[in-house]
Amino acid sequence: KNEVEQSPQNLTAQEGEFITINCSYSVGISALHWLQQHPGGGIVSLFMLSSGKKKHGRLIATINIQEKHSSLHITASHPRDSAVYICAVHFGNEKLTFGTGTRLTIIP
Amino acid sequence: EPEVTQTPSHQVTQMGQEVILRCVPISNHLYFYWYRQILGQKVEFLVSFYNNEISEKSEIFDDQFSVERPDGSNFTLKIRSTKLEDSAMYFCASSEVGTQETQYFGPGTRLLVL
Repeated sequence: KNEVEQSPQNLTAQEGEFITINCSYSVGISALHWLQQHPGGGIVSLFMLSSGKKKHGRLIATINIQEKHSSLHITASHPRDSAVYICAVHFGNEKLTFGTGTRLTIIP
Repeated sequence: EPEVTQTPSHQVTQMGQEVILRCVPISNHLYFYWYRQILGQKVEFLVSFYNNEISEKSEIFDDQFSVERPDGSNFTLKIRSTKLEDSAMYFCASSEVGTQETQYFGPGTRLLVL
């Protein structure tokens, strides 16, 4: 069965801390997305990657195809980073399969 | 910056009624999607649409659902006879040239079926 697992489910950290959110998947994929869901419900795409590493500002996403694993890192975390972070993958087709998300809370 | 828009933002309907959720994708995008998120659960893929036809659909997207691009700008999701379990947030998204590209999401329509 094609599954996406995220860890941790919830993460609370102090402002300034380095954050890591993990995503693993059951079988080979063609691409992986990291998304951010705001408290109001809106979804923003952060990264789409199929290999290697991407960086945008304080956000870094990495993927290890052999290990079937991706990580999202946030450097110098800030309270405005508080949101749900969602990993979603293409298991070789158009359909996106979503993880359950990681709820991140950054305390000032 | 171009964005995906959705109307209405909230809709309340009676069980058995038909609803139409509307989306305006980003103008030069070619691929369109509908997703739903039941409260407290993960986002689920419903359907993808390209070149005026469905390119892929999930098991959830049964005969009560249909999609249409009635003109050059709108993309609609119709639920023919709503059920209580259709209550969810429905997101539209679009991508420029392929399904495995960055997808841009609309703000969602919160549907409540009573």
